[in-house]
Amino acid sequence: QKEVEQDPGPLSVPEGAIVSLNCTYSNSAFQYFMWYRQYSRKGPELLMYTYSRGNKEDGRFTAQVDKSSKYISLFIRDSQPSDSATYLCAMKEKKSSGDKLTFGTGTRLAVRP
Amino acid sequence: DAGVTQSPTHLIKTRGQQVTLRCSPKSGHDTVSWYQQALGQGPQFIFQYYEEEERQRGNFPDRFSGHQFPNYSSELNVNALLLGDSALYLCASSLLGWETQYFGPGTRLLVL
Repeated sequence: QKEVEQDPGPLSVPEGAIVSLNCTYSNSAFQYFMWYRQYSRKGPELLMYTYSRGNKEDGRFTAQVDKSSKYISLFIRDSQPSDSATYLCAMKEKKSSGDKLTFGTGTRLAVRP
Repeated sequence: DAGVTQSPTHLIKTRGQQVTLRCSPKSGHDTVSWYQQALGQGPQFIFQYYEEEERQRGNFPDRFSGHQFPNYSSELNVNALLLGDSALYLCASSLLGWETQYFGPGTRLLVL
């Protein structure tokens, strides 16, 4: 079983839709959770970072962490065609365990004009 | 402020050859991590360098080695290349102990 599971998609939505992207994980030691956006043939770009639990909002993006369910989500409001990309969740254990990020496989998102 | 830079952007090698990839971290960062991203997969952690020492290593064979220079830039070396080493190699920089890592554009390696 992979430590981090993510539906690869593709997910296709119309412009303006609310998008929900999710990851589940099995390692209860994960404490830091990130979402990266990766355009085709580019490096990942950090979108959101959350610690341990709760919600974090940044513009059209909201990240949620539910540690009891080992489940994290990224919501995109008013989606735009420019949001079309692969979204990667990434997780890290506590600081003393090192800085290794463990990624999901990524979800491909297409926003139709 | 320059972000993370990597060179070269693309590389083609044949099986058995050796390759060196280079990374310059974001200004002010002291830690460099390397990841391998196969097509359709998420990045896999190779190793991390801090103060010119390998600080943490993922599940990669000894054919993968690295180096960090006093100016914090880093190299990734891969010996005895296999077809399965074809991937996008990503460098990420950070400050030691900080949660956020910033990625470069990657080097796309094709092994024939």
